[in-house]
Order: sequence, then structure tokens, then C-alpha cells
Amino acid sequence: QVQLVESGGGVVQPGGSLRLSCAASGFTFSSYGMHWVRQAPGKGLEWVAFIRYDGSNKYYADSVKGRFTISRDNSKNTLYLQMNSLRAEDTAVYYCAKDLRGFRGIMDYWGQGTLVTVSS
Amino acid sequence: QSALTQPASVSGSPGQSITISCTGTSSDVGSYNLVSWYQQHPGKAPKLMIYEVSKRPSGVSNRFSGSKSGNTASLTISGLQAEDEADYYCCSYAGSDVVFGGGTKLTVL
Repeated sequence: QVQLVESGGGVVQPGGSLRLSCAASGFTFSSYGMHWVRQAPGKGLEWVAFIRYDGSNKYYADSVKGRFTISRDNSKNTLYLQMNSLRAEDTAVYYCAKDLRGFRGIMDYWGQGTLVTVSS
Repeated sequence: QSALTQPASVSGSPGQSITISCTGTSSDVGSYNLVSWYQQHPGKAPKLMIYEVSKRPSGVSNRFSGSKSGNTASLTISGLQAEDEADYYCCSYAGSDVVFGGGTKLTVL
């Protein structure tokens, strides 16, 4: 069965960096685009970034453009999110999610999430 | 990248039907049949309930249905059950990004 397991969350100071990972199993990871979606405490879902199956194209929300970088290692079945210049408003649970096909914004499987807290 | 507009809350009694609206623009909901709906219970990850406006993933009850007219999409839940109480989010592809609605809290009375 499809499994997505995020890791790498924690507490970081404003201006700091953090790298999240998402280990995928149960499907052909190299064939599917992947998303990062976040949810601030008590708030709604916010799309963060998407990467195509082969890493050829990446898309970002305006709120993270220039600060976050999405990447993947298909040999390790792992998705990454490098987060730099972190701000208090980046505090959230970060989910990785698989797209149903291509870049459609249809997230058919989600991980359990990892909490990132930006605080001094 | 403005969020889609959903009502903050809706409620209904067991057995009744409810509809949640999701209003976007001609750049997202109105341009693509790529609206999806997610159910989220407290402390849990979201779950895909409807995709491509009206399609149901395998395993999702046929009590859940979706539709779209112009820039507004809708999720209808018929025969409300206690376990339907959750937050619901709409989502639309928007060309070079993806936008979510603000979420609707469904209370089953």
C-alpha cells in the first residue's frame, strides 16, 4: 500500500533553515509528481510546492518562492523540501502528497505530516 | 494565488443532505475541471473525497458527490452520518499553481 512518511521537522529560529524529507513506498515513485502542503496551527491547508516526476519542473506558492526548494531523489524514493530564511508564519504541519497524475493538483495520498515551529 | 471561498461552517442532522460551495475565479475553478475535495478529521491528514469535479476515488461512499457551474464548485453529502463531521477543503489547479479553499467545518447535529 502507498506510504508517505515525512521527517525533519522541529524547532528553528527565525532566519534559520530546515530540510524536510518524505520517504515514499508502495508505488512507483519515479512516475508521479509530488506536492508539499502545509497547515498552520488551527488554520486551513496551503499548497507550498510541486515537482514533476522527473524533477524537470518545479512550482512554488508566492509565499515561499525564493526561500524554499523542492527536490527529489528517485533512486532513494524520497522527496525533499529545503526551507531557508524561515519566518514565524512558516510554522505549520508540512504534508507531502502524491499527485494522481501529472500536475493536476489532485492529491490522492498524503503523509501524516511533520511539524515545523519557527520561534526564537 | 487567492484562496477559494468556502463557508466557514455548515450543519445538518443525520440523514439530511448538505452542500458546501467553493467559489473561485476564471483563472482556477472556472478554467479547469480539476477541482478536488478533501475531508480532514482533527489531528489527521486530509483524505481525497472527490476529484476532477465529480469523480470519486475507490472506497469513497457514493453519498459524496461534486459538481461545478462557472466559477463555483460544490460538494454534496447526502444521508449525513456522524462520521462525516469533519473539515472539508476544496482545491483547484490554477495553471502554474494550486489553490485551496479556506475550509468548511461540517457539524452533524
